[in-house]
Amino acid sequence: AQSVTQPDIHITVSEGASLELRCNYSYGATPYLFWYVQSPGQGLQLLLKYFSGDTLVQGIKGFEAEFKRSQSSFNLRKPSVHWSDAAEYFCAVGARGGADGLTFGKGTHLIIQP
Amino acid sequence: EPEVTQTPSHQVTQMGQEVILRCVPISNHLYFYWYRQILGQKVEFLVSFYNNEISEKSEIFDDQFSVERPDGSNFTLKIRSTKLEDSAMYFCASSVKGETQYFGPGTRLLVL
Repeated sequence: AQSVTQPDIHITVSEGASLELRCNYSYGATPYLFWYVQSPGQGLQLLLKYFSGDTLVQGIKGFEAEFKRSQSSFNLRKPSVHWSDAAEYFCAVGARGGADGLTFGKGTHLIIQP
Repeated sequence: EPEVTQTPSHQVTQMGQEVILRCVPISNHLYFYWYRQILGQKVEFLVSFYNNEISEKSEIFDDQFSVERPDGSNFTLKIRSTKLEDSAMYFCASSVKGETQYFGPGTRLLVL
């Protein structure tokens, strides 16, 4: 069965500092990989996705993520965080095509210090 | 930009009552999904729907749950007899052909 591990429950970063959120997955084949962000009281907004090709993908709000097959990882990065980046970040995996649901990690709560 | 919408945003109900949560997927999308997120826990897949029938469902989606697309725009989740443990945020999502899923803002359900 597929699973997603986000080992960091909380991360605190100073505004302007760089950020890396970790995600490891377990999946039988090469999955589709996603990062979603959830601001307080809001829904899930898609930040970026990886389907195939270039293993470094760019997303919205200045985020990027790198797919590393050998490490089964899909870590999210941002070179310089803003206070508005404070939110819950979820990594998810899905099957290639079809109607399968996504499997989510437990999320990482990002706190931005002034 | 088209968005998935959900109504109501909040619903409070008594245990044992039926609730219907409503979603309007993005208009040209063909796949529809329901997820739930119990407070403080991860988002969990409930069910997917394609071509007017259930495609996949998780073990959470038992006989108390049902989904329907009553017309060309709405997609509903019905909980027949709510339990305390059904209290959660329920998210609807849609996708064009089963790849990128776009989520609605959610309905927070509280069962008393």
